[in-house]
Amino acid sequence: EVVMTQSPATLSVSPGERATLSCRASQTVSNNLAWYQQKPGQAPRLLIYGASTRATGIPARFSGSGSGTEFTLTISSLQSEDFAVYYCQQYNVWPNFGGGTKVEIK
Amino acid sequence: QVQLVQSGAEVKKSGSSVRVSCKASGGAFSKWAISWLRQAPGQGLEWMGGIIPIFGTSNYAQKFQGRVTITADESTYTAYMDLARLTSEDTAMYYCANNYDGVFDTFETWGQGTMVTVSS
Repeated sequence: EVVMTQSPATLSVSPGERATLSCRASQTVSNNLAWYQQKPGQAPRLLIYGASTRATGIPARFSGSGSGTEFTLTISSLQSEDFAVYYCQQYNVWPNFGGGTKVEIK
Repeated sequence: QVQLVQSGAEVKKSGSSVRVSCKASGGAFSKWAISWLRQAPGQGLEWMGGIIPIFGTSNYAQKFQGRVTITADESTYTAYMDLARLTSEDTAMYYCANNYDGVFDTFETWGQGTMVTVSS
């Protein structure tokens, strides 16, 4: 099984600032990596797939990068609606998720 | 616009089974890959398995093999997840989600979730 590790567990950021979230795979997943956003009481929402392609309707302030084992989600200028938990997910083999990064207001 | 609507919350006893349904509206249901995922309180996401209705075959995560059964009824655009031999560790929010390309990779549209609580 591919183990997905996200860091940090919690990220404190002020509105308008940049947030950088990391995701590491225990073995290569090529670019078969997605990112999701989950707000309290809601289902997750797909943000990024193929490591760097934004899903339909996702604002340009969200960007993904990386390949192989190291991946990054960047939110260029945090808006109030972006404070949430973010999960990475590999799909190189059967799908599995990282433990999540909570982005909270500083 | 595609929607996935799940059945309501369940409270079950340890050792029993639960069935959760996921009804789709809009879209080519039979060609999707429909997955079931769960999230224990305060925890992360876990893929349990899924089905591609047009093929009728299901795939399961190793952790749930032998305990979960995922089926689909193309005539009613509904997918089902049956989980047997419940324990308190199965207390979680259960989600269905689809992939429009019919592969088990990303999860594009999600149901609203069904809370399953297992008590002794």
